[in-house]
Formats: sequence, C-alpha cells, structure tokens
Amino acid sequence: EAQVTQNPRYLITVTGKKLTVTCSQNMNHEYMSWYRQDPGLGLRQIYYSMNVEVTDKGDVPEGYKVSRKEKRNFPLILESPSPNQTSLYFCASSLSPRGFYGYTFGSGTRLTVV
Amino acid sequence: ILNVEQSPQSLHVQEGDSTNFTCSFPSSNFYALHWYRWETAKSPEALFVMTLNGDEKKKGRISATLNTKEGYSYLYIKGSQPEDSATYLCAFMRNNNNDMRFGAGTRLTVKP
Repeated sequence: EAQVTQNPRYLITVTGKKLTVTCSQNMNHEYMSWYRQDPGLGLRQIYYSMNVEVTDKGDVPEGYKVSRKEKRNFPLILESPSPNQTSLYFCASSLSPRGFYGYTFGSGTRLTVV
Repeated sequence: ILNVEQSPQSLHVQEGDSTNFTCSFPSSNFYALHWYRWETAKSPEALFVMTLNGDEKKKGRISATLNTKEGYSYLYIKGSQPEDSATYLCAFMRNNNNDMRFGAGTRLTVKP
C-alpha cells in the first residue's frame, strides 16, 4: 500500500530531551515536507526537501533539524524541545516538488513537551 | 507574508443542503492550488490540484473552480451528507517558490 509512515503517533517528553520523529514513504517521491498544525492556524511548513541531500527551511524552522540521506526517509529532529513545540506534526510527500501532484500525508504525530 | 485565507471558518448545514466555501490567495505569481479534505483523527487527503485559470474539477458531489486573476477558488458540495463532515483545506504555491502555503481551513458539519 502506498503510504507515508510516521512514528510515533503520540509522544510526551520533557524540555531539553532530544527526540526524533521518523517519516518514511514507499512511493519513490522526490519531495518531502514537515508541517506543524496548531489550533486556529493553518498547516505551517517547517522544512522541506526537493530530493536527496537537498533541504530548505519553511516558515517555522527554528528549533528543528532535518536530514534527507535516502529518498524514502525524512526524519524531524528536535535537539532541545521546548513547550512551544507542543503541536500536531505531519510529514507529507509528493511525486513532484512543484505542486502538480497532491501531497500524501502521514497519520500525524501529536507531541507534548512538558 | 503570504496569506491564504479561507472562509467561513466553520459551517453547519443540514443533510441534503448544498454548500460552498472560499479560498483566497495572492493573485501574483500563481503556480498551483490544492484542496484537501481532513477528517478528525485522520490525515489530510488530496481532493483537487488546480493549475490553470478557469480550471473546474469534479469528484462525485464535490467540485472546485479557480480564478487566478482575482485570487480565489471555490469548493462546492452538492447535497451534503454527514460523511462530508470534515475540515477542508486549501493550499497555494507561488511560481517562484517551492513551499506550499495552507489556509486555516473551513470546518464543515453536516447534521442528519
């Protein structure tokens, strides 16, 4: 089944404890992206990747890191999480980086930082 | 800041009603507009990808139109059903940028 797999689905952590949210897609998509969703706001882009070893900042990159060493994986790293990073996170992928195709989203990761 | 505005923020209709909502975006440097359907506790699913002024797309009872010159897109649902209850998101991509900007969504509730 074609899908984007995110793990974990839920995570509660403490301030400052490094964590990684994994994202993997099995569709050979070039484009991958991370979004966070907060109440009253649209999905806001954190980082995106046009292809392997190519990553760029989105609207809200502060406090996050990403890497794209393989085409299928695009992990999101929070080196020192803070409470303002409590949010619902989505990974998405697309065949084309230029918006001609819809995005396929993962099932989301609800992160709570206390 | 590039703003994508959706209205209304929420909408309650009765089963069988037809409804529509709006996505507004900057009219300059248009490249693509997406519509997504997002059910509670699930992930957003793509409905339509629109790239040309005047585009009209249809999927079952749901259709969308696009006006790039004035910067808006309409999503229509004919004969709403309770299973149409969801948040509908639009997303906009400019010609000279690689990021997709999402609106805050319109939350539709269809009462039986």
